[in-house]
Amino acid sequence: QVQLQESGPGLVKPSQTLSLTCTVSDGPISSGGYYWSWIRQHPGKGLEWIGYIYYSGNTHYNPSLGGRLTISVDTSKNQFSLKLDSVTAADTAVYYCARRHGRGYFDSWGQGTLVTVSS
Amino acid sequence: EIVLTQSPGTLSLSPGERGTLSCRASQRVNTNLAWYQHKPGQAPRLLIYGASTRAAGIPDRFSGSGSGTDFTLTISRLEPDDFAVYYCQQSGSSVYTFGQGTKLEIK
Repeated sequence: QVQLQESGPGLVKPSQTLSLTCTVSDGPISSGGYYWSWIRQHPGKGLEWIGYIYYSGNTHYNPSLGGRLTISVDTSKNQFSLKLDSVTAADTAVYYCARRHGRGYFDSWGQGTLVTVSS
Repeated sequence: EIVLTQSPGTLSLSPGERGTLSCRASQRVNTNLAWYQHKPGQAPRLLIYGASTRAAGIPDRFSGSGSGTDFTLTISRLEPDDFAVYYCQQSGSSVYTFGQGTKLEIK
């Protein structure tokens, strides 16, 4: 079973860029049929799908995040990354990386990392 | 955006009882629905996909049913480890959404 682990700063200042990386182990990120995803959970709330990337670089984002979002992939490091620009307190959440099966469900998840937006 | 509404918000049951959790979609998603179990501080765990197919390693106490807009997750005999928050998720549209969750707590 593939393993995923998020990493990045736990505190980001308002208006700055939130950057996270997900390292995938026990399986190549370039295996076909899977899409590498980000999902977040606001404090005390449900889950929100952010977006995903295919190993080829094709992306699909949640429109609710407007033009603030960039997801990229580095197959040589078996990693994919999230950048969210112009953050506000509303972006405070636990961020999960996950593997999306071709049929649309998320079959492997990271443990999640809390990112707090505060000055 | 397809809205998923889960009910009840909280379900209080005892070990050994049967738990029935519902998920209703605001538009048809066919059988593009999955269920997850989530415990505090842990990664969510896939239970069911395709509305009724158990994920690898999931005990047969867990079953899913439904299609279109109405779905059910049933846990036939609750064990202490089953008490957690359960989410449904749809992939019937290009913007994936989750329900708000049902908290299954020990009575």
